[in-house]
Amino acid sequence: SQQGEEDPQALSIQEGENATMNCSYKTSINNLQWYRQNSGRGLVHLILIRSNEREKHSGRLRVTLDTSKKSSSLLITASRAADTASYFCATDGGDMRFGAGTRLTVKP
Amino acid sequence: GAVVSQHPSRVICKSGTSVKIECRSLDFQATTMFWYRQFPKQSLMLMATSNEGSKATYEQGVEKDKFLINHASLTLSTLTVTSAHPEDSSFYICSVRDIYYEQYFGPGTRLTVT
Repeated sequence: SQQGEEDPQALSIQEGENATMNCSYKTSINNLQWYRQNSGRGLVHLILIRSNEREKHSGRLRVTLDTSKKSSSLLITASRAADTASYFCATDGGDMRFGAGTRLTVKP
Repeated sequence: GAVVSQHPSRVICKSGTSVKIECRSLDFQATTMFWYRQFPKQSLMLMATSNEGSKATYEQGVEKDKFLINHASLTLSTLTVTSAHPEDSSFYICSVRDIYYEQYFGPGTRLTVT
């Protein structure tokens, strides 16, 4: 079964804008990870945030984690057309379970 | 970095036949391996978890007699889809966890059952 939900399910923005995706989960976790997947391809690991961390940055990515609310957000700044993909959060609480995903479209 | 391979990357089989998918960790020993299934435009669903030398633990709703998992060694796990049906057509992804609890994903196998 899936761990939780992501919103929005789909997001369409213009190049240069920021994209924010949210993830909620249900159980306690060791860490939470974000992945990108281009259509029909494998997963690309983006960033891992541990349960004792609140925020993490990697390039244009910023991830926050609120364990009290069991939620996380992924912010992509200055988006590019190449960022068009599906984004999934995955919670690791012994095994890794994925959220439903957000389909991001960045228009040039 | 760690590499996980899957073979084959794509397979087409006829309804009623069985298909075996291999998952290998190429440069480290995998203490635990996971198998996921992903239908088009959906997320990854965990099917089963396996540890080397022991029986796999299947998620609720996954038929263990239909999806046979063999974790024969610390670097190889196989998923056999038995008596495949068109509804088994999906993207199957394995994942391996090393002794440091890092998890790595394979590139996936696209199964089409005709």
